[in-house]
Amino acid sequence: GAVVSQHPSRVICKSGTSVKIECRSLDFQATTMFWYRQFPKQSLMLMATSNEGSKATYEQGVEKDKFLINHASLTLSTLTVTSAHPEDSSFYICSAREERVVGTEAFFGQGTRLTVV
Amino acid sequence: GEDVEQSLFLSVREGDSSVINCTYTDSSSTYLYWYKQEPGAGLQLLTYIFSNMDMKQDQRLTVLLNKKDKHLSLRIADTQTGDSAIYFCAESSYNQGGKLIFGQGTELSVKP
Repeated sequence: GAVVSQHPSRVICKSGTSVKIECRSLDFQATTMFWYRQFPKQSLMLMATSNEGSKATYEQGVEKDKFLINHASLTLSTLTVTSAHPEDSSFYICSAREERVVGTEAFFGQGTRLTVV
Repeated sequence: GEDVEQSLFLSVREGDSSVINCTYTDSSSTYLYWYKQEPGAGLQLLTYIFSNMDMKQDQRLTVLLNKKDKHLSLRIADTQTGDSAIYFCAESSYNQGGKLIFGQGTELSVKP
């Protein structure tokens, strides 16, 4: 199957700093990428949907100014957690879909464990 | 909003079959998926089924879909200790713009 690479896999940052997480589709062009957040022992919560070349669509309750998403190319989307606080500590996972078509497989990155101290 | 529900835990003995169940509310669901997540890792797509199918088999995995009851199940034959993980059911539909709605995940524990 297609490969989605997410980097870094783990990051520890100080409270108040910003952290950027990258999501790359390695062998296909991803017109749509999704960013999820997962708390321990819980399901994935969709944060936002990003389409290449346009603004991301954020889910209700997700602060767009805090979680900046950029999808500048067909193979790269980034999530920047700005002014991170300990409550932002979580597991962040991206997924990428090749076409804007329901049913095509969404491939997942390996996730990023963010710890804010 | 649309909802996907799963039982949280399942424990089986090695060699037995495991059946993980899922219910969903979106009557316009188009595709339904099963993902596997091992500790600290991302999600691995196991299989998916189109809503006009009622069964799909792939090696040790069998997916059954009852569209009338909005019930999906994943059967793992001859369960092995390496199958221990969290299994997520997810659905997508045209109404939702193709995004996946996930269940809470079922933690499968396989005992030797």
